[in-house]
Amino acid sequence: GEDVEQSLFLSVREGDSSVINCTYTDSSSTYLYWYKQEPGAGLQLLTYIFSNMDMKQDQRLTVLLNKKDKHLSLRIADTQTGDSAIYFCARGQDTGRRALTFGSGTRLQVQP
Amino acid sequence: DTGVSQDPRHKITKRGQNVTFRCDPISEHNRLYWYRQTLGQGPEFLTYFQNEAQLEKSRLLSDRFSAERPKGSFSTLEIQRTEQGDSAMYLCASSSGQPTYEQYFGPGTRLTVT
Repeated sequence: GEDVEQSLFLSVREGDSSVINCTYTDSSSTYLYWYKQEPGAGLQLLTYIFSNMDMKQDQRLTVLLNKKDKHLSLRIADTQTGDSAIYFCARGQDTGRRALTFGSGTRLQVQP
Repeated sequence: DTGVSQDPRHKITKRGQNVTFRCDPISEHNRLYWYRQTLGQGPEFLTYFQNEAQLEKSRLLSDRFSAERPKGSFSTLEIQRTEQGDSAMYLCASSSGQPTYEQYFGPGTRLTVT
């Protein structure tokens, strides 16, 4: 997914907020998603946002979308050790098959 | 409903052998996707079914790969004459489509070709 980019690694202390960033190039995407992947496991859908929204909050998760800059972020409040995982940003194809294009993932390490 | 399931979870095979993976989607989902994930990368799209029809295949899907979804329920992905470069995690996802098109993934099948 060369048109979806993420930083590779983020380390935070338990209880702090984590902010994971993502940029994309295709402005036609209507749907943008965040997934979590733990070692050896499949992907867990965390949340999604439509391109006509600027922000979406879901419990400890806040998604911010800056359409002008094609920038998406995921903020995790009160980060816990169980949040340690790889987080993937994905954009949905706007028509047809609706396949997802993923970034390379951001590894979040939460230190006690 | 227990979500998307995949079988087997792990497969080790020798180069040149054929392998087949199975995916059981969430029961009411009519869309089914296969993705491949290599180490350190995000998943990449392989192919897509709507009901029993295979509507699109990625250029990643060489002639050695074939996928089916008989009766629009479970799906199989077969790789013939496996090569070491086929070693990856094969992920299946299903979706109900509108309005949000979100996809739910299975646990994956990890293939190792020796």
